[in-house]
Amino acid sequence: DAGVIQSPRHEVTEMGQEVTLRCKPISGHNSLFWYRQTMMRGLELLIYFNNNVPIDDSGMPEDRFSAKMPNASFSTLKIQPSEPRDSAVYFCASNRQGLVPSKYYEQYFGPGTRLTVT
Amino acid sequence: DQQVKQNSPSLSVQEGRISILNCDYTNSMFDYFLWYKKYPAEGPTFLISISSIKDKNEDGRFTVFLNKSAKHLSLHIVPSQPGDSAVYFCAASKFSGGYNKLIFGAGTRLAVHP
Repeated sequence: DAGVIQSPRHEVTEMGQEVTLRCKPISGHNSLFWYRQTMMRGLELLIYFNNNVPIDDSGMPEDRFSAKMPNASFSTLKIQPSEPRDSAVYFCASNRQGLVPSKYYEQYFGPGTRLTVT
Repeated sequence: DQQVKQNSPSLSVQEGRISILNCDYTNSMFDYFLWYKKYPAEGPTFLISISSIKDKNEDGRFTVFLNKSAKHLSLHIVPSQPGDSAVYFCAASKFSGGYNKLIFGAGTRLAVHP
């Protein structure tokens, strides 16, 4: 079974450039999460999709960040324009949210994209 | 405002000994707690969890303890093995906006040396 797939694995870009990170969730999963990992703050949830609809984007840092999920097998996280403080590892995770909304369903993480903005 | 805190950024333990990783939280509404393990260049993987109605959960060498009055949980690894060397994230879950949101700590890097 393929896990969550993220691309690229590494991205180095210059300040001001647009960056697009991509994620393919596990087949059959209906929920997708974007996280950012930094040394100081650990793993922070940026945005959560359920059935391709953004449910919670309260973690998105600012308007420079945007995320889309055009279908059940693909999501993008875009940063435009990028800044050095955006340098971090970005993870995508997915799960199958069941019929009981309050029940926890395990999240499966991709390998991450290490973004460096110079 | 960090709701989940792992105050020890790193821990070094000798092989065969016990590793104890600690985590504190501030929100009494959390109802589920998890530990994730992360190797370099990989995503975090689920390790063990505990519901807020329990105080202990065991899975092989891994045991998680929950002290709700102190808002504290810990992960015990006995005996520690070199393959356990990784970053361990504590996470807490709360039902919010129609789904369970995970709040992670900053992680503790465990090094198990021979």
